[in-house]
Amino acid sequence: GQQLNQSPQSMFIQEGEDVSMNCTSSSIFNTWLWYKQDPGEGPVLLIALYKAGELTSNGRLTAQFGITRKDSFLNISASIPSDVGIYFCAGRRIQGAQKLVFGQGTRLTINP
Amino acid sequence: NAGVMQNPRHLVRRRGQEARLRCSPMKGHSHVYWYRQLPEEGLKFMVYLQKENIIDESGMPKERFSAEFPKEGPSILRIQQVVRGDSAAYFCASSPQGGGSFGDTQYFGPGTRLTVL
Repeated sequence: GQQLNQSPQSMFIQEGEDVSMNCTSSSIFNTWLWYKQDPGEGPVLLIALYKAGELTSNGRLTAQFGITRKDSFLNISASIPSDVGIYFCAGRRIQGAQKLVFGQGTRLTINP
Repeated sequence: NAGVMQNPRHLVRRRGQEARLRCSPMKGHSHVYWYRQLPEEGLKFMVYLQKENIIDESGMPKERFSAEFPKEGPSILRIQQVVRGDSAAYFCASSPQGGGSFGDTQYFGPGTRLTVL
């Protein structure tokens, strides 16, 4: 079925470092979303992207909707301990398609 | 905080029993989605409902699983005769517009973790 390839699967970084993760697909998506999931909780929306080329920030987070509409990236600057968690990209493939397709997640671990 | 509410948060069932998972959408949202998450994996779409209607159930297993969103009350995901492979986290999301309309965003509940013994 439809799948998003998210990388890296896991990251181990030092506090204060910048983080970058991305999501790619062989199909075109018209919406890209980035969520964070803490243990035992549901995904929380971080950033939503609706136009190709769009670059959007939310505090220390920045995400971009790729020009080809087949990829997106998320950057986190100056990481802090509360950034620990699993980050998921999600996309909506075609206009009017209500279901989201999720990547496999990037597990972020931060060493203080 | 009138977010998406799900209950129970944890549910334990023995093989062959029934599981009922409930979801109350955010205030003002009439579109509900159910997703399933296996350990160490992303969420996978199961079903999309509006009040009293199933719009898309393409991700729902053909047998034992059903969903409803009645005119009054929460949305219910029902799993009959559970098997060990049904053990997973089940998440509900709601949105205000639905149908994949531009700018529509899905907000997730905390999930129900089902364990089948």
